[in-house]
Amino acid sequence: NAGVTQTPKFQVLKTGQSMTLQCAQDMNHEYMSWYRQDPGMGLRLIHYSVGAGITDQGEVPNGYNVSRSTTEDFPLRLLSAAPSQTSVYFCASSYAFTGGGETQYFGPGTRLLVL
Amino acid sequence: TQLLEQSPQFLSIQEGENLTVYCNSSSVFSSLQWYRQEPGEGPVLLVTVVTGGEVKKLKRLTFQFGDARKDSSLHITAAQPGDTGLYLCAGTLSGGSNYKLTFGKGTLLTVNP
Repeated sequence: NAGVTQTPKFQVLKTGQSMTLQCAQDMNHEYMSWYRQDPGMGLRLIHYSVGAGITDQGEVPNGYNVSRSTTEDFPLRLLSAAPSQTSVYFCASSYAFTGGGETQYFGPGTRLLVL
Repeated sequence: TQLLEQSPQFLSIQEGENLTVYCNSSSVFSSLQWYRQEPGEGPVLLVTVVTGGEVKKLKRLTFQFGDARKDSSLHITAAQPGDTGLYLCAGTLSGGSNYKLTFGKGTLLTVNP
């Protein structure tokens, strides 16, 4: 198993450009999520999905869109990038999310710089 | 308002010393987890605690969940340079239809040889 994969690893954008961060998992996990990590801020939840066709907002959803057409993929879209979106983005997945503390498996991250 | 407060934010110690990292909240959690993150990588789960008062040991690491399920601690005995990293606590609030995992800001631990 490859686990959770993210592409690209690094990206530089200009303000106003759009892009999609890719996330895929091969563990047949129902729950997937996106976080951003900024210095001194920990990880903040952007969007999450409890299964194909079901998504919901996290703590910091503004400026980001998601969709979940398959169990395996959960792309994150930036429609009009802003310098405030400069961050490291992590995708994570788990078998389910019942509140009982399922293990979240994280990808290696995408480092995004918006100029 | 930060739901999970971690302290200290930074910790630099010598090899062989003991240390404790705290994760506190005013809210009740159905479970709390501790993750460790190394530079350039994603977090990796160390432990999950679900029962108030629960204590779990992982080699030199001891994790405790508070009786009221509002706080947790991570204690490392005889720290080694390989323990260096960012330690994150994360929890799921108790009650309701909550599919969100909330993280603390992390404790950056440096163990000097």
